[in-house]
Amino acid sequence: NAGVTQTPKFQVLKTGQSMTLQCAQDMNHEYMSWYRQDPGMGLRLIHYSVGAGITDQGEVPNGYNVSRSTTEDFPLRLLSAAPSQTSVYFCASSYTPTGEFPGELFFGEGSRLTVL
Amino acid sequence: AQSVAQPEDQVNVAEGNPLTVKCTYSVSGNPYLFWYVQYPNRGLQFLLKYITGDNLVKGSYGFEAEFNKSQTSFHLKKPSALVSDSALYFCAVRERSGYSTLTFGKGTMLLVSP
Repeated sequence: NAGVTQTPKFQVLKTGQSMTLQCAQDMNHEYMSWYRQDPGMGLRLIHYSVGAGITDQGEVPNGYNVSRSTTEDFPLRLLSAAPSQTSVYFCASSYTPTGEFPGELFFGEGSRLTVL
Repeated sequence: AQSVAQPEDQVNVAEGNPLTVKCTYSVSGNPYLFWYVQYPNRGLQFLLKYITGDNLVKGSYGFEAEFNKSQTSFHLKKPSALVSDSALYFCAVRERSGYSTLTFGKGTMLLVSP
């Protein structure tokens, strides 16, 4: 059981380039989310999804796009990278029992992105 | 809006001594509360959660947390610290109603010295 898998683990981009961070989970979780972690800022929610075809914005969505075509996958797209997007990105998923949203989160190992 | 405060950037404790990592929260109504731990270059791992019922919650690795509604606090505790407990600890909160998401504190680095 792999849990939550993120790729790539490391990436260096130039300003203006685009890329996609991949996230896949094999636990049949309905809820998936992306956070960014910056020193002294904790974790901030970028986007989240409560099921296939449904996404919504979190606290810091600007500059990022997401889609959820399957239960398993939740990619995060940077359309035009900026130095301010240099961060560590975490994907997290959760099982959603009826009436509870969300339960405890399962995190991937993180993707460290540097934008020059 | 919901929020979490972790007033200490770092907590230092000697191995074998009790430890406390502080967390206070602000939320409309009753909260769900969580503690997560992050080891270097790893993702966060769930430690424990408060949903309802007993105010003292026991979790993984001997950790526990006490929910105090009047003080809006959810401090993480352990009776006897281990060097291997050294890590970054995050408190998180969410409202009970609707599609509320999880809000994390800024984290507290716990350093346990031998």
